[in-house]
Amino acid sequence: KQEVTQIPAALSVPEGENLVLNCSFTDSAIYNLQWFRQDPGKGLTSLLLIQSSQREQTSGRLNASLDKSSGRSTLYIAASQPGDSATYLCAVLRGKLIFGQGTTLQVKP
Amino acid sequence: DAGVTQSPTHLIKTRGQQVTLRCSPKSGHDTVSWYQQALGQGPQFIFQYYEEEERQRGNFPDRFSGHQYPNYSSELNVNALLLGDSALYLCASSLPSYGNTIYFGEGSWLTVV
Repeated sequence: KQEVTQIPAALSVPEGENLVLNCSFTDSAIYNLQWFRQDPGKGLTSLLLIQSSQREQTSGRLNASLDKSSGRSTLYIAASQPGDSATYLCAVLRGKLIFGQGTTLQVKP
Repeated sequence: DAGVTQSPTHLIKTRGQQVTLRCSPKSGHDTVSWYQQALGQGPQFIFQYYEEEERQRGNFPDRFSGHQYPNYSSELNVNALLLGDSALYLCASSLPSYGNTIYFGEGSWLTVV
C-alpha cells in the first residue's frame, strides 16, 4: 500500500531564506509526482509536475527533484517571501493521487 | 480559460440528510475525480469518472455516489450524512492519460450538524 509522508509538518522561517520541503513515498511504481500549494480554506494550486522518468522540474523560485529509487522528492524554495506562506502538499500518481499530510510554511517578514 | 469550478462553496446539512455537490472541469478535460479533505489532513480519493463511467473508486462507502454528464461535468452525492462527513470536497480534472497535470477547484465546504 502506497504511503506518502511529508516532513516537517510545520516550518517557520524568516523572509529571504532558502528552504527545502521533503516528501517520501513507499512504493516507487508511480506515474508522476505533483507538488501543490493550499492557502487556508482554499483549493489546491498545482506548482510542479515531475514525470517518473524525470529527475527535476523548475518554475521560477521553485525547484522539485525526484529520486524514485529512494522514494524521495524535495521542493526547494529560493529566497522565501511572506506570500509563500501556505500548506505545501506532495502527491504521487498511481491511478489516483495519494497525498501526504502537507507541510505548513510560515515566512515571517 | 475557466479552471475547475465547484458549487456550492459552503453548505450546512443535518445528520441523515442528502447532499449534492457539483463540478465543471477545466476546458478540454474529460476526466473528473473527487477527493475528501478533513481538517489538517491530505485529500483522500473518493472516485474518478471518465466517459460517464466510474473508472476507479477509493475506500468510501456506497453512501458516496457520483455521476458524469456528456459535457464532462460531474456530481458527488452523499446520502445519510454523518458528522464525520464534514470536510472540504475537492473536484479535480485532467486529461485521461497519466502524464498530465491535474487541476483542482476551490472546493465545497460541507458541515454536518
